[in-house]
Amino acid sequence: ETGVTQSPTHLIKTRGQQVTLRCSSQSGHNTVSWYQQALGQGPQFIFQYYREEENGRGNFPPRFSGLQFPNYSSELNVNALELDDSALYLCASSLRVATNEKLFFGSGTQLSVL
Amino acid sequence: GDSVTQMEGPVTLSEEAFLTINCTYTATGYPSLFWYVQYPGEGLQLLLKATKADDKGSNKGFEATYRKETTSFHLEKGSVQVSDSAVYFCALSDMSGYSTLTFGKGTMLLVSP
Repeated sequence: ETGVTQSPTHLIKTRGQQVTLRCSSQSGHNTVSWYQQALGQGPQFIFQYYREEENGRGNFPPRFSGLQFPNYSSELNVNALELDDSALYLCASSLRVATNEKLFFGSGTQLSVL
Repeated sequence: GDSVTQMEGPVTLSEEAFLTINCTYTATGYPSLFWYVQYPGEGLQLLLKATKADDKGSNKGFEATYRKETTSFHLEKGSVQVSDSAVYFCALSDMSGYSTLTFGKGTMLLVSP
């Protein structure tokens, strides 16, 4: 049990729709990272938020956006969904006090785009 | 850019067999290296890590040594159990170490009684 919770656990959308995924960080953590894990692939870094500011972004288009709230929970928003967006979306929280901080992953949200 | 290559699975072993999962990486500088494990229906869990050359990470009987000369971080365990069945991911973080990980594609391990 990592203390990182994601909702919903499963979601089905159609192409062109918009989706919001949510993540509650482990208590005391100030950094949230989002990853996309396509079937049979390793997770790919989408972006990271530190103290409510975006603090790094992977190779994902602008229709992937996010927020971090004052309580350090986070949202991932995806607009204009495409079939290739079908994947497991993982949230990871950490406490940034030094380099090599430990990530704690949630169980993910499985998104299916039809 | 940075990349991680793992041996393809599934790796199928009998209980108490020796396990090796190969991992090589490409990165500039001196990344930190990690092994994560993913059990069915769960998120990723850090298994072990090494932050500099020749470091050995170990946990729950698993070991991996950071080999800069061969850019490798192979995972080993002397005697696997059925409960070790999972998907194993090798990963690296850049020199900042700030939790931005590059993962390999994962290797599924299946251990039979």
